[in-house]
Amino acid sequence: GESVGLHLPTLSVQEGDNSIINCAYSNSASDYFIWYKQESGKGPQFIIDIRSNMDKRQGQRVTVLLNKTVKHLSLQIAATQPGDSAVYFCAEKNSGGYQKVTFGTGTKLQVIP
Amino acid sequence: ETGVTQSPTHLIKTRGQQVTLRCSSQSGHNTVSWYQQALGQGPQFIFQYYREEENGRGNFPPRFSGLQFPNYSSELNVNALELDDSALYLCASSRDRAGTEAFFGQGTRLTVV
Repeated sequence: GESVGLHLPTLSVQEGDNSIINCAYSNSASDYFIWYKQESGKGPQFIIDIRSNMDKRQGQRVTVLLNKTVKHLSLQIAATQPGDSAVYFCAEKNSGGYQKVTFGTGTKLQVIP
Repeated sequence: ETGVTQSPTHLIKTRGQQVTLRCSSQSGHNTVSWYQQALGQGPQFIFQYYREEENGRGNFPPRFSGLQFPNYSSELNVNALELDDSALYLCASSRDRAGTEAFFGQGTRLTVV
């Protein structure tokens, strides 16, 4: 069956350093991979997505890398700030007719001031 | 803010009761998805509504049902509540049923006692 999982449950990073959050997936048929950020008491917030025919995509301070050979996804956050502290979920979606997003269990990012 | 609002924010129900949760989607969005997020877990897809019709469903029993109205707002109904139904229920709206960018509300925290 399909699954999306994360390597580390908690990541502590010094403010100003770069953060890398990793994710493994098992469904080779996934068309899209998405990173969400969830702060305490809030719903998940879309950060960035990447199609399966790409291996890298950049946003504002964030970069997502996709390695389909080893079914690995990562989110890089440059110059991590205290406001980046949250739980980060990788998720996958097929390009089917409906908006089912399959989430992993999440990585908690703690930014040390 | 995402423009997706959910009500109520918190709710306590007794096992066996029924509950209705509400969601107003973002302006211009015709698709609403519902997710259940247990504590410490990623959200799990319940179902999606597109133009007032159920458009896809996850692995949830029939006692989880929904509605979407002409203004694209939505309800999630859960009958015969069980203790394991205690969770954060998230609503997400999107511009169409197949896109990747979904905007989540803050959720309704349901506690079943």
